Amino acid sequence: GIQVEQSPPDLILQEGANSTLRCNFSDSVNNLQWFHQNPWGQLINLFYIPSGTKQNGRLSATTVATERYSLLYISSSQTTDSGVYFCAALNQAGTALIFGKGTTLSVSS
Amino acid sequence: DGGITQSPKYLFRKEGQNVTLSCEQNLNHDAMYWYRQDPGQGLRLIYYSQIVNDFQKGDIAEGYSVSREKKESFPLTVTSAQKNPTAFYLCASSWWNTEAFFGQGTRLTVV
Repeated sequence: GIQVEQSPPDLILQEGANSTLRCNFSDSVNNLQWFHQNPWGQLINLFYIPSGTKQNGRLSATTVATERYSLLYISSSQTTDSGVYFCAALNQAGTALIFGKGTTLSVSS
Repeated sequence: DGGITQSPKYLFRKEGQNVTLSCEQNLNHDAMYWYRQDPGQGLRLIYYSQIVNDFQKGDIAEGYSVSREKKESFPLTVTSAQKNPTAFYLCASSWWNTEAFFGQGTRLTVV
């Protein structure tokens, strides 16, 4: 089945810095999502982005489906951005999302 | 409000006991999913259902069972056959092949 790999596994930033998180997937996908897991464990939808580029405030994402990767950009990071960021790709059967292991982001003031 | 509701938030299970986790959605989604998350890990798929009265095993279905008698509901039973059930359980739903949304999760602990 499809494999999803995220990098880096951990990222430590000062407040105000920019960062790029990467997600590679092993096969073509119909669906790719980025999530932020908050301290209480809930997964917050950031982007649904099978291809192209989207922006939402300080966050943006780009998926290049033909090259099998997606990038999440965080600009002017804030302490509230801390947490775990997951990308997930829909498997080829179209039946369920397969998750990467996440990137743990720590932003200090 | 539309969304996915999981209950309870916290659940304690004794050895050899079956417990059932609830997941309800009012988004009129066809597909529903159960995932398990262990500390420091990503999410692994337990079961999924694309339509009422039908469900399929995911990657780690052993020791778990589900039912899908109603479109809105997809309960997960953790049976005594699951040897290491302590984990965080997340339920999700989606339209077919589109964006998925998650509930707030249930933390299960064996005591």
